[in-house]
Amino acid sequence: NAGVTQTPKFQVLKTGQSMTLQCAQDMNHNSMYWYRQDPGMGLRLIYYSASEGTTDKGEVPNGYNVSRLNKREFSLRLESAAPSQTSVYFCASSPFSQRNQPQHFGDGTRLSIL
Amino acid sequence: GESVGLHLPTLSVQEGDNSIINCAYSNSASDYFIWYKQESGKGPQFIIDIRSNMDKRQGQRVTVLLNKTVKHLSLQIAATQPGDSAVYFCAEKWNSNSGYALNFGKGTSLLVTP
Repeated sequence: NAGVTQTPKFQVLKTGQSMTLQCAQDMNHNSMYWYRQDPGMGLRLIYYSASEGTTDKGEVPNGYNVSRLNKREFSLRLESAAPSQTSVYFCASSPFSQRNQPQHFGDGTRLSIL
Repeated sequence: GESVGLHLPTLSVQEGDNSIINCAYSNSASDYFIWYKQESGKGPQFIIDIRSNMDKRQGQRVTVLLNKTVKHLSLQIAATQPGDSAVYFCAEKWNSNSGYALNFGKGTSLLVTP
């Protein structure tokens, strides 16, 4: 079982470049999430999608956009990358965001912006 | 236990001993709590969860205790093994402005020595 798959695993960008991080899950989950993790910090929610066709802002949405392409895929886009967006990005999914069920995570995309 | 700041609190235990990792959560309205384990270069991995109507839940070698009076959560690991070395995060769930979000603590690093 692949679970949650993120691509790419590593990326280096220059300030001002754009990029899309890809995420796909094969667990037939309705809800998907994007988090960022900075050194010594917990995960902070960027955006989430409670179900196919809906997206909502999380705690730190500025500088990002998302697209829920279908039930399986949820992408995160940086339109104009800034050094402050250097981080590790994690995608997660869960059956239903409203229910008391754990989120399952991918192994992350390590993004450096110079 | 978990605390604010760039440096993760670290718990060092000997192989075979029991470990206790503590977490203070923030919202008295939180109704669901999760413990995650994160190994270097990997995404968070679900360990165990507990609902707010419970005080204790046991899994394989792990026990989670919930004290709602003082908003405290703990993870006990029995007979700690080298493979348990990782960063451990607690997360709480409540209905916030960003929907049914998970709020993560900043993590505790567990180091198991032979």
